[in-house]
Amino acid sequence: DAKTTQPNSMESNEEEPVHLPCNHSTISGTDYIHWYRQLPSQGPEYVIHGLTSNVNNRMASLAIAEDRKSSTLILHRATLRDAAVYYCILRDIQGAQKLVFGQGTRLTINP
Amino acid sequence: NAGVMQNPRHLVRRRGQEARLRCSPMKGHSHVYWYRQLPEEGLKFMVYLQKENIIDESGMPKERFSAEFPKEGPSILRIQQVVRGDSAAYFCASSPLPTGDGNTEAFFGQGTRLTVV
Repeated sequence: DAKTTQPNSMESNEEEPVHLPCNHSTISGTDYIHWYRQLPSQGPEYVIHGLTSNVNNRMASLAIAEDRKSSTLILHRATLRDAAVYYCILRDIQGAQKLVFGQGTRLTINP
Repeated sequence: NAGVMQNPRHLVRRRGQEARLRCSPMKGHSHVYWYRQLPEEGLKFMVYLQKENIIDESGMPKERFSAEFPKEGPSILRIQQVVRGDSAAYFCASSPLPTGDGNTEAFFGQGTRLTVV
């Protein structure tokens, strides 16, 4: 799986939007961009994924740059429950069959 | 549809004992992955199994660790002669597709926290 780069930590305030960046300059044409998060003392949880177009679901939005070398996970209105480590992962449609987790971004939400 | 079930949630073993961790994938999922997370560290892949087959064990320690996913029943991660360094959270994930596919997600259990005393 291709490498991703994320900031180690970010901080935001409750009820404000949060933009979590991810750089993946070596992404290939068949790599999907996946986001997972891990809340304290819990297992990882799927958030969203996409290939080329921006994606929305009930949890978040995923904005993918036109050249696909970066993406941004958007939490529209953060709550305290969104405090977690967020992982950006690339998955090749034909490649490795495991998720490879990096260090992720630790998101802190201030009340 | 119940999620991925892991048991026990907490397991305490003395050094030298065996630890058996169980993972029941989501209904209809035949692909299971095990991960280990040491305290304050990231998730490390251990092994990927399909029913009755080990597909990728590149992250498994060479000794004392084994995994299986029988035709019937849960997947088992077995650690023989545990040592203090085995203390960690062990997570299991499952997915529905028969081959690696970037267009699907994996579902994780809540983990088993192993403490070796």
